[in-house]
Amino acid sequence: DAKTTQPTSMDCAEGRAANLPCNHSTISGNEYVYWYRQIHSQGPQYIIHGLKNNETNEMASLIITEDKKSSTLILPHATLRDTAVYYCIVRVIYNQGGKLIFGQGTELSVKP
Amino acid sequence: KAGVTQTPRYLIKTRGQQVTLSCSPISGHRSVSWYQQTPGQGLQFLFEYFSETQRNKGNFPGRFSGRQFSNSRSEMNVSTLELGDSALYLCASSFGGDGSYEQYFGPGTRLTVT
Repeated sequence: DAKTTQPTSMDCAEGRAANLPCNHSTISGNEYVYWYRQIHSQGPQYIIHGLKNNETNEMASLIITEDKKSSTLILPHATLRDTAVYYCIVRVIYNQGGKLIFGQGTELSVKP
Repeated sequence: KAGVTQTPRYLIKTRGQQVTLSCSPISGHRSVSWYQQTPGQGLQFLFEYFSETQRNKGNFPGRFSGRQFSNSRSEMNVSTLELGDSALYLCASSFGGDGSYEQYFGPGTRLTVT
């Protein structure tokens, strides 16, 4: 299973862009990169996912390097409510299913 | 659309008992996955169901089992509860069964074993 590496914690000033990096050097070409976040004791919230191209939605942008070995989640204008643990996940597909393997994630603190 | 719902939200059981947790997926979603979250082990995959068939299973003992009904609702059962089974149990649903479909999580069931 492809493993991801993320910084344990990061700080960001409110209103600024938060850039959360993730390394996944063993990812294969048909595996997706997913980002979720979890606010204390709530269920994880889906943010965005991509296969090899950059993606953007109303919450965030996902930048995947050309070799797919790393990616960056960008929250363009962080607010205090974006304080959460952010998980970068490589979606393992086998037996026609796709389980999510969560690592330890990055604890993002957005400060006023 | 209503989100993923899980019942009950909180549960206290005694060692040796069994417990059944329920998950109702988002309408139209056919895949349901279960995860266990503990402070020590983090979020771990338990199993995945698609169209009433278990397709994937995580590395958990046979005391953990589940099933999916024809309306896509799912239940998971834990028999002979141990203290270490105390955790937040999360259910997630997705429309399809491959990696291109995002999973949406419910609020979880907090199980405490005493």
